[in-house]
Amino acid sequence: AQSVTQLGSHVSVSEGALVLLRCNYSSSVPPYLFWYVQYPNQGLQLLLKYTSAATLVKGINGFEAEFKKSETSFHLTKPSAHMSDAAEYFCAVGPEAGRRALTFGSGTRLQVQP
Amino acid sequence: DAGVIQSPRHEVTEMGQEVTLRCKPISGHNSLFWYRQTMMRGLELLIYFNNNVPIDDSGMPEDRFSAKMPNASFSTLKIQPSEPRDSAVYFCASSPGLAGVGEQFFGPGTRLTVL
Repeated sequence: AQSVTQLGSHVSVSEGALVLLRCNYSSSVPPYLFWYVQYPNQGLQLLLKYTSAATLVKGINGFEAEFKKSETSFHLTKPSAHMSDAAEYFCAVGPEAGRRALTFGSGTRLQVQP
Repeated sequence: DAGVIQSPRHEVTEMGQEVTLRCKPISGHNSLFWYRQTMMRGLELLIYFNNNVPIDDSGMPEDRFSAKMPNASFSTLKIQPSEPRDSAVYFCASSPGLAGVGEQFFGPGTRLTVL
């Protein structure tokens, strides 16, 4: 079965600082990987996705993530945090063969300090 | 495209009442998912449908919960009778299935409060 671990339920950075949100996955098959963002009182929105093409994936709002098979990781980064980046971020893996569902991590809440 | 549409956006009801949440997926998507989100338990998959057929309902908490998808453009999640512990935000998501790589598109959610 697939699984996702997000290290750190809360991350706080200063405005302009590097954002690094960690995600490690477990999958018996080559995975598809996703990062979603949830702003307050909204649904989840797709930030970016890895589909076995380029290992460095660029998403919306200046975010990017790098797939590292040897480390089973898919960490999310942004060079310079903006106040508007404050939100909850979810990493997801899947779908497994025969299923359509993704497996989501527990989420990381990003705070951006002025 | 209007995206995934959910109604109502907010629902306040009293314990014991029946609650029906509604979802309209994105046209052409053949997979539909119902999630529940709470502070304590995070995001939980309740059930998902593929081509209107329920595939996995192992996340449905108990018999008080039921979900239907009578056609490709409509799904309901019903709680009867409702209890205070059902208070949560319920999300519907749809996916193009084999036409995509599995990414899901989420609706804005229904915030349910059971008093």
